[in-house]
Formats: sequence, C-alpha cells, structure tokens
Amino acid sequence: KAGVTQTPRYLIKTRGQQVTLSCSPISGHRSVSWYQQTPGQGLQFLFEYFSETQRNKGNFPGRFSGRQFSNSRSEMNVSTLELGDSALYLCASSSPGNPTEAFFGQGTRLTVV
Amino acid sequence: DQQVKQNSPSLSVQEGRISILNCDYTNSMFDYFLWYKKYPAEGPTFLISISSIKDKNEDGRFTVFLNKSAKHLSLHIVPSQPGDSAVYFCAASGGNTPLVFGKGTRLSVIA
Repeated sequence: KAGVTQTPRYLIKTRGQQVTLSCSPISGHRSVSWYQQTPGQGLQFLFEYFSETQRNKGNFPGRFSGRQFSNSRSEMNVSTLELGDSALYLCASSSPGNPTEAFFGQGTRLTVV
Repeated sequence: DQQVKQNSPSLSVQEGRISILNCDYTNSMFDYFLWYKKYPAEGPTFLISISSIKDKNEDGRFTVFLNKSAKHLSLHIVPSQPGDSAVYFCAASGGNTPLVFGKGTRLSVIA
C-alpha cells in the first residue's frame, strides 16, 4: 500500500511570494496533519484536518493555512513568505482505527531566498 | 512552553552496546507516547509506542520504559547497530490532541 506522498520534494521561493504544498495520505486515512521542522526545533504542529474540517491548529500566524479535499488529500499554503519560513514541511496521515500513530511523508524542503 | 523535552541533542554509542535515549514531558494529560526515527532527507518513521497504562513495551531490540510519576520515558536499543544512527524524536498525545514532539536526539553508533 502506498505511503504518504508529498509534492514537491524541493522548492525555492522568494520572500513575499506564496507557496502551496500538497499531501496525499495513505489510502483509507482520513486525518492529515502538517508539521514544520527547522534545525534545533523539532517538529512543530501546524494544523490537522479530518473529513475536510480543521480539527486542531498550532501556534502559527495566519499566513499559514490549509485545506482538505473530499478524497482526504490536503494542501497547505503559506502566503507572504519570510526567510524564517525556510524549513522541512512534513505531512502525516493516520487511520480511524489508530488515530495516534502517524505515518509521515518524506517532506517538502522549502527554501525562501 | 515545551511540553516534551529531549535534553540530549546528541549521543554517541559503540556498536553492540546499549543506547538509552531520554524524554521528559510536563503535560499530565498525555496518555500515549511514541518514538520516531528520522534519517536525513526522509520523513520520520514510527518505531515503538507505549500507553500510559503500561510501564514497558518491547519490540525486538527496542524497549520503551515509562515512569508516569516522574513524567519520564526512555528508549533502549540493545544491541546498537550502525544502521540505528539517526535522529530520534519522542512524541506524546492526550485525548484527541495532535502529537507533540520533542526536539530530537541525534544518535551516532560507532563501529
């Protein structure tokens, strides 16, 4: 069974631009969470979607947004990019039967210049 | 306010010896704990978990111990192998809340 797929793998953007990242969860998984990983900061929770509804939200500014489609695929958007947004963005999905165990994609490496 | 803390950023262990990675948490509502392993340029992969109703869970070379009174858990890897070299993240969850991760510990297993 295919794992979590994130696209693109790498991205370079300029300050002030906006970016959209995509995540396809494991088939049958309805929960999708997004995390930001920066050096020395671990994984910081951005938001979680379940059945197209945002269920939890982390402590990030409103420039960070997301959505989930009826097929459980999810996108996150960052507007007005700042240099500090450079990070690895990870998406994780989990199944209704085991909601706590998250399966991660390989991530999207975003570099803002 | 860091709810999950991994106070050792790095750890070096000789091949064949035991690796012990530690994690502390502050939120009493956490009732499920997980360890993830991460290689460079890959997403974290689930390693082992433990529920708060247990104090030990074992899976092959990996054992997780939970001390609820001390709000402390540890991951033991015995024997350590060079392929275990990676960053290990401790994570915790309570109820319907998302996973909260520590900052990770980089384990280097030296041959």
